[in-house]
Amino acid sequence: GENVEQHPSTLSVQEGDSAVIKCTYSDSASNYFPWYKQELGKRPQLIIDIRSNVGEKKDQRIAVTLNKTAKHFSLHITETQPEDSAVYFCAASINGGSQGNLIFGKGTKLSVKP
Amino acid sequence: GAGVSQTPSNKVTEKGKYVELRCDPISGHTALYWYRQSLGQGPEFLIYFQGTGAADDSGLPNDRFFAVRPEGSVSTLKIQRTERGDSAVYLCASSLTHSTDTQYFGPGTRLTVL
Repeated sequence: GENVEQHPSTLSVQEGDSAVIKCTYSDSASNYFPWYKQELGKRPQLIIDIRSNVGEKKDQRIAVTLNKTAKHFSLHITETQPEDSAVYFCAASINGGSQGNLIFGKGTKLSVKP
Repeated sequence: GAGVSQTPSNKVTEKGKYVELRCDPISGHTALYWYRQSLGQGPEFLIYFQGTGAADDSGLPNDRFFAVRPEGSVSTLKIQRTERGDSAVYLCASSLTHSTDTQYFGPGTRLTVL
């Protein structure tokens, strides 16, 4: 089955710097890759997602890139702010057919220092 | 509109007891997922419903865990003979359909087995 690895497990940056979180997946059939942000004690919230028919997607300060050949995808946050501090999870799934459940990475705890 | 809701928010029980956790998905969402999140980990898939039927229950850890969705809306996750290792946050998510849509998470039920 699918396995998702996420690095780093913790990341500390200064406010205004960029942050990059990387994930790899094992199942080449995976075609949907969302990123969730989870603040302490809160529900995971989708921040951006990408499907395998595109290589990059951007939404203001957040971007995601996908390399299907290498089976890895990355989250890029520019001009980080203290409110970006949270745990970020990448996930992969195979949309369509009988499947749809997300396989998550172990998370990256991002700390943005003012 | 209302998001995914879960009750109770917290449940403390004793080892060996039976518990039921409830999930109310977003109205009109046909796909419903249950995940379990242990401290410091990403959500782990348990079971997925498409309508009233369990389309994939491969993530249920053993036969003490069971879930139903009799009318294709509200779902109940049932755990028999609870064990201390069952302690975790149980998250529910729903999506419009299973194939390509975003999964929206509920706030979770924190289960503590003493």
